[in-house]
Amino acid sequence: SQELEQSPQSLIVQEGKNLTINCTSSKTLYGLYWYKQKYGEGLIFLMMLQKGGEEKSHEKITAKLDEKKQQSSLHITASQPSHAGIYLCGARGSSNTGKLIFGQGTTLQVKP
Amino acid sequence: EAGVAQSPRYKIIEKRQSVAFWCNPISGHATLYWYQQILGQGPKLLIQFQNNGVVDDSQLPKDRFSAERLKGVDSTLKIQPAKLEDSAVYLCASSSTGGGYNSPLHFGNGTRLTVT
Repeated sequence: SQELEQSPQSLIVQEGKNLTINCTSSKTLYGLYWYKQKYGEGLIFLMMLQKGGEEKSHEKITAKLDEKKQQSSLHITASQPSHAGIYLCGARGSSNTGKLIFGQGTTLQVKP
Repeated sequence: EAGVAQSPRYKIIEKRQSVAFWCNPISGHATLYWYQQILGQGPKLLIQFQNNGVVDDSQLPKDRFSAERLKGVDSTLKIQPAKLEDSAVYLCASSSTGGGYNSPLHFGNGTRLTVT
């Protein structure tokens, strides 16, 4: 079965610093999704990547997909306290299923 | 548009009791998912519905968990009897299949279950 490994597991950064979170799949990716979760709440959809080399940005968050490496990265520029939370990557295991398999999450703390 | 609605938000029960969770997906979303998220882990799929039919329930512990989506809209997930290891957040999500299986999943706020 497919597994997603996120690194690092946790991260503490000073406000204003840049950071990167990685997500590596054990199998071929059929779409890669990034979500953010605040403690005790549901997952908020950030971005979806489908094609190798694709890059998307939303405000100060940029995500890239490297299909050959079966890997995606999430980069936050000039981090703010509002960026704090748990970041989760999710992927489809095949092209004909809607379900997502998730990584274990990366917990981000931003110190003011 | 209104998001995915779940209730209750919190539930505390003793082991061997039963509990039920309710989910109302985004209007028009044909696909509905129930995920279990244990503290410190990513969500794990329990069951996926397409309209009122089950697409995938391979990871649902069927001896104690059951789920239904009778009219193809809202859904209930039940645990009977509960075990200590069922303590988790139960997340409901829905997605539109208008664009095939490329649509993102939209999640509710979840139900936090504590089994004592």
